[in-house]
Amino acid sequence: LAKTTQPISMDSYEGQEVNITCSHNNIATNDYITWYQQFPSQGPRFIIQGYKTKVTNEVASLFIPADRKSSTLSLPRVSLSDTAVYYCLVGATGGKLIFGQGTELSVKP
Amino acid sequence: KAGVTQTPRYLIKTRGQQVTLSCSPISGHRSVSWYQQTPGQGLQFLFEYFSETQRNKGNFPGRFSGRQFSNSRSEMNVSTLELGDSALYLCASRGYSDRGENIQYFGAGTRLSVL
Repeated sequence: LAKTTQPISMDSYEGQEVNITCSHNNIATNDYITWYQQFPSQGPRFIIQGYKTKVTNEVASLFIPADRKSSTLSLPRVSLSDTAVYYCLVGATGGKLIFGQGTELSVKP
Repeated sequence: KAGVTQTPRYLIKTRGQQVTLSCSPISGHRSVSWYQQTPGQGLQFLFEYFSETQRNKGNFPGRFSGRQFSNSRSEMNVSTLELGDSALYLCASRGYSDRGENIQYFGAGTRLSVL
């Protein structure tokens, strides 16, 4: 499974757009890119999944360049309730997920 | 649709005891995975069950075991508890979202404290 690298922490303010970039240089041809969100003492929650170009759903967008060696999760107009840890996973379509350390996002008023 | 249900939510045990945790997956999901989360090691995969068979196993000692029943409900057992087993244990069932994404849905977890 491809290793991922993402920033350990990020700060933002309410109403701003937040972009979290994940590096996955060894991504395999059939790997999907998946992002999860986790609040303290809760299970991770699926945010978005993509294979190439751009994916958008009700809560986020995922941008994937042509070489697929990185991806960027974009959260529009964050609020205090978006304060959480965000995990980028690659090849995460099976029953075994390999979580990295994630990015701890702190949203301030 | 009901989500993944884990019981109990909290548990306190002493060293040397054993514990059994339970997980009910989302209806129709046949794959159940277990994870351990600690502040030091983060989220680590324990094992996956599919149709009552263990399909994947993480790097944990034999004290950690699991099983899955014919209705896809799963249990995880930890024997001879150690202080380091204190953690949040998470269960996830795998299925397809409304958009066709193959993803894991996590329960709220069981917080185990070993004294």
